[in-house]
Amino acid sequence: AQSVTQPDIHITVSEGASLELRCNYSYGATPYLFWYVQSPGQGLQLLLKYFSGDTLVQGIKGFEAEFKRSQSSFNLRKPSVHWSDAAEYFCAVGRKAAGNKLTFGGGTRVLVKP
Amino acid sequence: DTEVTQTPKHLVMGMTNKKSLKCEQHMGHRAMYWYKQKAKKPPELMFVYSYEKLSINESVPSRFSPECPNSSLLNLHLHALQPEDSALYLCASSQALSGAFTDTQYFGPGTRLTVL
Repeated sequence: AQSVTQPDIHITVSEGASLELRCNYSYGATPYLFWYVQSPGQGLQLLLKYFSGDTLVQGIKGFEAEFKRSQSSFNLRKPSVHWSDAAEYFCAVGRKAAGNKLTFGGGTRVLVKP
Repeated sequence: DTEVTQTPKHLVMGMTNKKSLKCEQHMGHRAMYWYKQKAKKPPELMFVYSYEKLSINESVPSRFSPECPNSSLLNLHLHALQPEDSALYLCASSQALSGAFTDTQYFGPGTRLTVL
């Protein structure tokens, strides 16, 4: 069965500093990987996705993620965080064969210090 | 435009009430989803509709009844809920369940449900 692990429950970062959120997956086939962001009380917004091709993926809001098959990882990065990046971030694996079901990681809450 | 709308934003109901949640998208997507999200947890899939037909039911109690009257609209009918059903209910849509790749799901803002 597929699974997604986000090892960091909380991360605190200073405004202007870089951010990296870790995501590890377990999946037998080619993974379809997503990062979503959720502000408090809001829905999920797609940041970026990886289906195939270039392993460095650019997303919205200045985020990027790198797919590393050898490490089963899909880490999210941003060079310089803004206060508005404070939110919950979810990594997810999609599985077409299971009705397009998404398996989410537990989430990482990002706090931004002024 | 990747907008999914949900109404109402907030809903408070008693355990004997009947209410409905509504989800709408005008992106031409043919797959729609209901998720339940408890506080500080990731979303959990409840139902998947593909071409207006129920494709997946993740063993959801019958007090939750989904309906897809047309390709743009998805409802979730609620009856005799329990306090533990209080959560954020998210709707999502994607192009289709067919095709070579997993489709990207686009989420609505959710309905915050409180059951008293």
